[in-house]
Amino acid sequence: NAGVTQTPKFRVLKTGQSMTLLCAQDMNHEYMYWYRQDPGMGLRLIHYSVGEGTTAKGEVPDGYNVSRLKKQNFLLGLESAAPSQTSVYFCASTTDRGLGGYTFGSGTRLTVV
Amino acid sequence: AQRVTQPEKLLSVFKGAPVELKCNYSYSGSPELFWYVQYSRQRLQLLLRHISRESIKGFTADLNKGETSFHLKKPFAQEEDSAMYYCALTTGANSKLTFGKGITLSVRP
Repeated sequence: NAGVTQTPKFRVLKTGQSMTLLCAQDMNHEYMYWYRQDPGMGLRLIHYSVGEGTTAKGEVPDGYNVSRLKKQNFLLGLESAAPSQTSVYFCASTTDRGLGGYTFGSGTRLTVV
Repeated sequence: AQRVTQPEKLLSVFKGAPVELKCNYSYSGSPELFWYVQYSRQRLQLLLRHISRESIKGFTADLNKGETSFHLKKPFAQEEDSAMYYCALTTGANSKLTFGKGITLSVRP
């Protein structure tokens, strides 16, 4: 049982480059989330999805796009990376009430130079 | 909108000392509160939930609706408790979690 798997684990991008972060979960969870973690800022919600084919903006969505074509996968895209997007990105999933807590992936450490 | 406040960034204690990590929230309804822990360069893990009233690894947290607080406590800290701790809240809407900024707990030998 893998839980939540994120790929890649590390990436260095040049300003203006694009990339996609993949999150996959095998728990049949409806809800999936992308957060970024920055020192002194905690975790901030970028985008989330309440089910296959649906996405919504979180607290800091600018510069990011997402897609949820399959229930088990949630993709986060950066179309034109900026140094301000240097961060650690975490994906999480939960059941529809979330009372059992989130299951997190191991994170993607992204550096934009 | 809901908010979670963790007023301290760092707490450093000696092994065996009591620990209290503060968490205050603002929300007009009845939220669900959580504590998450992140050990060095690892993923976040759920530590405990207020609805289950459980004790995990010796940690407990009591929801005080009057003071809108959900402080995390442990009577005797261990070195392996050194980690980043996040308090989080959900209102149930889309199960979104709002996190505090986190506090680093350092337990010295």
